[in-house]
Amino acid sequence: DAGITQSPRYKITETGRQVTLMCHQTWSHSYMFWYRQDLGHGLRLIYYSAAADITDKGEVPDGYVVSRSKTENFPLTLESATRSQTSVYFCASSDRLGYTFGSGTRLTVV
Amino acid sequence: DAKTTQPNSMESNEEEPVHLPCNHSTISGTDYIHWYLQLPSQGPEYVIHGLTSNVNNRMASLAIAEDRKSSTLILHRATLRDAAVYYCILRDNFNKFYFGSGTKLNVKP
Repeated sequence: DAGITQSPRYKITETGRQVTLMCHQTWSHSYMFWYRQDLGHGLRLIYYSAAADITDKGEVPDGYVVSRSKTENFPLTLESATRSQTSVYFCASSDRLGYTFGSGTRLTVV
Repeated sequence: DAKTTQPNSMESNEEEPVHLPCNHSTISGTDYIHWYLQLPSQGPEYVIHGLTSNVNNRMASLAIAEDRKSSTLILHRATLRDAAVYYCILRDNFNKFYFGSGTKLNVKP
């Protein structure tokens, strides 16, 4: 099915563990983005990518790593999870007219 | 980075028009104005966008001030399904979106 999918939908992990959130889009959009949304707040940009092998930091990149070896995938890795990274993470892709967001991954760090 | 300012919340009666304001006084000449809505536990969804001229689509209208320092999203007849958080967003030259806190719209039956 065409669209943008995120996995897992829910994740609980322990402090200090590495965790990777997956994002896959089927449109071959050049741009992809990762945002986090803390309870009751708007979205903040973590990282973005303009094309395969091109990534750049957003507003809140510390503690996160991204890669984009293929156009359709844009995984986000928390190298050593902390409780402050408990949040809902949204991936998006863009075709220069607007964004399409995934359904989000709710991550809890205990 | 360009920023937007919106009221935290607004309330409307069902079937009445709703005007959601947004201030973006630091907008640059090439920034597009986008509006998205977000329902609980879902990702934001596209509503409308524009650059300089007013825009209409089947969902809403976007009125952009002549100096582009403010804009208004207009829902012509609010329904209960329109209750959501509405974000006014500026898209910069690098295609990045910067979200504000949004306006939570409550629609009363």
